Amino acid sequence: GEDVEQSLFLSVREGDSSVINCTYTDSSSTYLYWYKQEPGAGLQLLTYIFSNMDMKQDQRLTVLLNKKDKHLSLRIADTQTGDSAIYFCAESIGGGADGLTFGKGTHLIIQP
Amino acid sequence: DSGVTQTPKHLITATGQRVTLRCSPRSGDLSVYWYQQSLDQGLQFLIQYYNGEERAKGNILERFSAQQFPDLHSELNLSSLELGDSALYFCASSLRWTGNTIYFGEGSWLTVV
Repeated sequence: GEDVEQSLFLSVREGDSSVINCTYTDSSSTYLYWYKQEPGAGLQLLTYIFSNMDMKQDQRLTVLLNKKDKHLSLRIADTQTGDSAIYFCAESIGGGADGLTFGKGTHLIIQP
Repeated sequence: DSGVTQTPKHLITATGQRVTLRCSPRSGDLSVYWYQQSLDQGLQFLIQYYNGEERAKGNILERFSAQQFPDLHSELNLSSLELGDSALYFCASSLRWTGNTIYFGEGSWLTVV
């Protein structure tokens, strides 16, 4: 079955790197996504990675995929107060045809 | 701004009533998805339409229905509303029905009293 697990909270100091982890269970997942949700706002697509990739970098964001362990991580370099939000990991088995399965989200808390 | 437009942004209604939520996808996107976000269930996929046809179904209740019109906008109809239906309802869109990026709207907050 499909299940995506994330830690509920992560606290980091401003300027440090944040690493948000996610595990998924379905090995047939083709795309894995990271979404950001700020308070009272919608879901913002941050980045996604195709299952045949190990890493993807986009400015301050680095996504690492360990397909063997079914582990996905999002690293945010030089974390700023504006990065404070809930980060959702999601998997898509058919590339979206059957919808996305989301984790419960990780609350990223930035300490000054 | 994702380009996905949802109305209304907020809605308060009584139990037993029926509401319609509307979604306009990003320009050029053919696929529309509906999701429900609640505190206890998290984000749940409800249903997907592609170019007017139902493509995939998730955890959508029988009291709920959706459709996608020829101009590609979509509506989610929620009937016989219960207190537990109070949630944030998201619409999302993508260009194709598979293998692509999915963009979400700001959501419609539904409160059932």
